[in-house]
Amino acid sequence: NAGVTQTPKFQVLKTGQSMTLQCAQDMNHEYMSWYRQDPGMGLRLIHYSVGAGITDQGEVPNGYNVSRSTTEDFPLRLLSAAPSQTSVYFCASSRFSEQFFGPGTRLTVL
Amino acid sequence: ELKVEQNPLFLSMQEGKNYTIYCNYSTTSDRLYWYRQDPGKSLESLFVLLSNGAVKQEGRLMASLDTKARLSTLHITAAVHDLSATYFCAVLRGETSGSRLTFGEGTQLTVNP
Repeated sequence: NAGVTQTPKFQVLKTGQSMTLQCAQDMNHEYMSWYRQDPGMGLRLIHYSVGAGITDQGEVPNGYNVSRSTTEDFPLRLLSAAPSQTSVYFCASSRFSEQFFGPGTRLTVL
Repeated sequence: ELKVEQNPLFLSMQEGKNYTIYCNYSTTSDRLYWYRQDPGKSLESLFVLLSNGAVKQEGRLMASLDTKARLSTLHITAAVHDLSATYFCAVLRGETSGSRLTFGEGTQLTVNP
C-alpha cells in the first residue's frame, strides 16, 4: 500500500491564482481530512469528509473548496490564493481510531 | 469550542533525564492522540488512547489518559538525542470517527548530549 499520497510536494503561487492540491489513499478509508500547519502551531482542520459525496467544514474553511467523488481521492482547491494561505498542507485518512497523514504540500503564495 | 493546550511548548533536556509533557483539553473526549514530527516531515503516530485510565508505552515514551481531568501526559524516560522532535497531542471532536482532530500547539523537545 502507498498509504496517503499528496501532490505536489512544493508549490509557489502568485496572489489570485488558483490551484488544486491532490490527495489520494489506497486503504479504502471512509474518513479523509485536510489540515494546514503554520509555523509554531499545531495542525488546524480545513475540511473533512466522512465518505464519498459527503464533505463538511472544519475550523478554517474560508478560501478553500473540497469535493469527494470517490473513496480514494479528496482534492483541496484554492480558488484565489492569498499570502495568508502560505502554509504546509497535510491530508489524512482514517478508519476507526487511527489517522494516517500524507507527506504534506508546502505552499507559498507571493 | 474545544481547546487543547500543551505545556511546556519548549523543552531542553539532557540525555538520561526524565520529563513529562502535559496535554489539557477543554471538553469531553474519549480519544486522544500523540504524534511526533521531525523538521520538514509529516506526523508520525505514537499513541492512540481510547479510554479513561489508558496507558501505553513504546520504548522510552509512555502516554496516559485521564478523561475526568481532561489530561494526558507523555512521559520520557532516560532521554536520548534521537527523541529530539516536536510532539503534538490531538483530541477527537466528540465523535467516533477519526476525521476531526483538534491539535495542541506542540512541544519542541531538544535532547542535549
